[in-house]
Amino acid sequence: SAVISQKPSRDICQRGTSLTIQCQVDSQVTMMFWYRQQPGQSLTLIATANQGSEATYESGFVIDKFPISRPNLTFSTLTVSNMSPEDSSIYLCSVVDLGLKLFFGSGTQLSVL
Amino acid sequence: SQQGEEDPQALSIQEGENATMNCSYKTSINNLQWYRQNSGRGLVHLILIRSNEREKHSGRLRVTLDTSKKSSSLLITASRAADTASYFCATDGGEYGNKLVFGAGTILRVKS
Repeated sequence: SAVISQKPSRDICQRGTSLTIQCQVDSQVTMMFWYRQQPGQSLTLIATANQGSEATYESGFVIDKFPISRPNLTFSTLTVSNMSPEDSSIYLCSVVDLGLKLFFGSGTQLSVL
Repeated sequence: SQQGEEDPQALSIQEGENATMNCSYKTSINNLQWYRQNSGRGLVHLILIRSNEREKHSGRLRVTLDTSKKSSSLLITASRAADTASYFCATDGGEYGNKLVFGAGTILRVKS
């Protein structure tokens, strides 16, 4: 199993600003995943972050809006850029183990005013 | 896009009763997993069932998989107030490859 520390746990931001979310894993992992959960909805994969290469984004998500860094095998950041109220969501990072199970950070609850 | 659709959307039961949640999916899968989410926080893995398995148990949890009907069910027996949470199924395989695709989730409330 993996232990993931994610911060901040919540934030209230103004429209037009950016927020960077950090994720620290207690072991080295090849891939880290970033999900968005809009209010009352399920999880949607934003992108997969691989160390040493650009993140792979899912349909509907672009690097300019959600830049991701992956400087090493235990850390990643997701930035939500030029925020609008529609970006209000829970953002979750996760990693997968050899048994295909996902382990999640505790999430970042973002509210954009 | 979402692969799994769950029903009911919400379920309210008394402590001690059993809770059953269902998940349906559209394409072939390799595995189906169930996760629990408390109060909008991070998800916790509950159980994984492979496409060649029909039933799996873990403590008070029982999961069934019917690939002919493309459906799965999660049964929580002797529910407790602490089971109050949202429950999501997630599948991988088929057109989605190794990516996990989550269903819409069932909100379970267990009243004490």
